[in-house]
Amino acid sequence: AQSVAQPEDQVNVAEGNPLTVKCTYSVSGNPYLFWYVQYPNRGLQFLLKYITGDNLVKGSYGFEAEFNKSQTSFHLKKPSALVSDSALYFCAVRAERGGGGNKLTFGTGTQLKVEL
Amino acid sequence: SQTIHQWPATLVQPVGSPLSLECTVEGTSNPNLYWYRQAAGRGLQLLFYSVGIGQISSEVPQNLSASRPQDRQFILSSKKLLLSDSGFYLCAWSVGVGVGSPETQYFGPGTRLLVL
Repeated sequence: AQSVAQPEDQVNVAEGNPLTVKCTYSVSGNPYLFWYVQYPNRGLQFLLKYITGDNLVKGSYGFEAEFNKSQTSFHLKKPSALVSDSALYFCAVRAERGGGGNKLTFGTGTQLKVEL
Repeated sequence: SQTIHQWPATLVQPVGSPLSLECTVEGTSNPNLYWYRQAAGRGLQLLFYSVGIGQISSEVPQNLSASRPQDRQFILSSKKLLLSDSGFYLCAWSVGVGVGSPETQYFGPGTRLLVL
């Protein structure tokens, strides 16, 4: 079975400061890891994914994430937060050798609030 | 480019009434299709997925059903709605290249369902 943990329900950060949204995972074998963002009453938007290779993955809107195999983590980061980054962020995982349908398992989400 | 549509955007239905939510994808062939429910603005629960026409896999036993009458059309239905069916329903698609592929899921705008 695969699982994802997002330990923080909410993260508050001042605009211009770096932000980190945490994610840890559990999966059999190699993971495929994803980050999505959701604005109120909207669908999820894909930010970035890790498949293989470089542990630092760069994505949309200046976000990046670092894959750490030993810590089974895939934290989302941004060097300088914007108020417009305030949204709900989801981490998701699937195993490289997953079952049919390429199903993803999502975390419970972290609400990011960026304040002036 | 590919686009995904969901309708209606919002729906208010009485308990015991039927339900039909529609999702269509444009710009791709033989996609994998998914229905998720998001309750209370948080975690996503996978309800159904489909890897081809007429092929539906159910993840959670409940009073909902899904059908895929055409390659790029995915329908979520219920014969009699319950109060607990209220939520935000999201359709997603991914490229269907077989088991083990790292393909990203892309989400539609969602349907907000309120059962009274």
